[in-house]
Amino acid sequence: KAGVTQTPRYLIKTRGQQVTLSCSPISGHRSVSWYQQTPGQGLQFLFEYFSETQRNKGNFPGRFSGRQFSNSRSEMNVSTLELGDSALYLCASSLARTGGNTGELFFGEGSRLTVL
Amino acid sequence: AQSVSQHNHHVILSEAASLELGCNYSYGGTVNLFWYVQYPGQHLQLLLKYFSGDPLVKGIKGFEAEFIKSKFSFNLRKPSVQWSDTAEYFCAVKAGGYQKVTFGTGTKLQVIP
Repeated sequence: KAGVTQTPRYLIKTRGQQVTLSCSPISGHRSVSWYQQTPGQGLQFLFEYFSETQRNKGNFPGRFSGRQFSNSRSEMNVSTLELGDSALYLCASSLARTGGNTGELFFGEGSRLTVL
Repeated sequence: AQSVSQHNHHVILSEAASLELGCNYSYGGTVNLFWYVQYPGQHLQLLLKYFSGDPLVKGIKGFEAEFIKSKFSFNLRKPSVQWSDTAEYFCAVKAGGYQKVTFGTGTKLQVIP
């Protein structure tokens, strides 16, 4: 079974630009979560989607947005990039159910964003 | 809101030494607990998990963790580390229902041959 696939793996942008990151979950997984990983900060939760609905949202500004498609694939978008947005963005899928999920996450390799 | 604290940010051990990484969480209700590991250049992967039952859980590669409810702790242990255990270790907690999974800031383990 294929794992979680994230594209692109690496990208460089300049301040003020926007970026879209893509995530394909493991087949059959309906929940997709996004995290921002930076040194010393660990993993900061961005949002979680389940069946095309945002089920949870972290404490990030509105410049960070996401969506999920009917095939469970997900995208996240960051507009008006700032230097501090440089990070590894991780996508994780899980075998969630309507009533919630266990929290066991399967991670992709991440998209490393550098903002210059 | 739930939170997770990992007390050790960077640990250096010699091979064959014993390992214990601390993890404490703050949440008053029932939680699921996890340890994830990120080897250099690899993606995060599950090391072990606790949902219910025996509070001593065993994971891959000889790791184990003990859930102590009264202390809100879920410490990770390994009796004898190997150079290949060099990685970053993350503790995570999830409360019931639609709650998100919250991660600690991670502990970098360096094992010296």
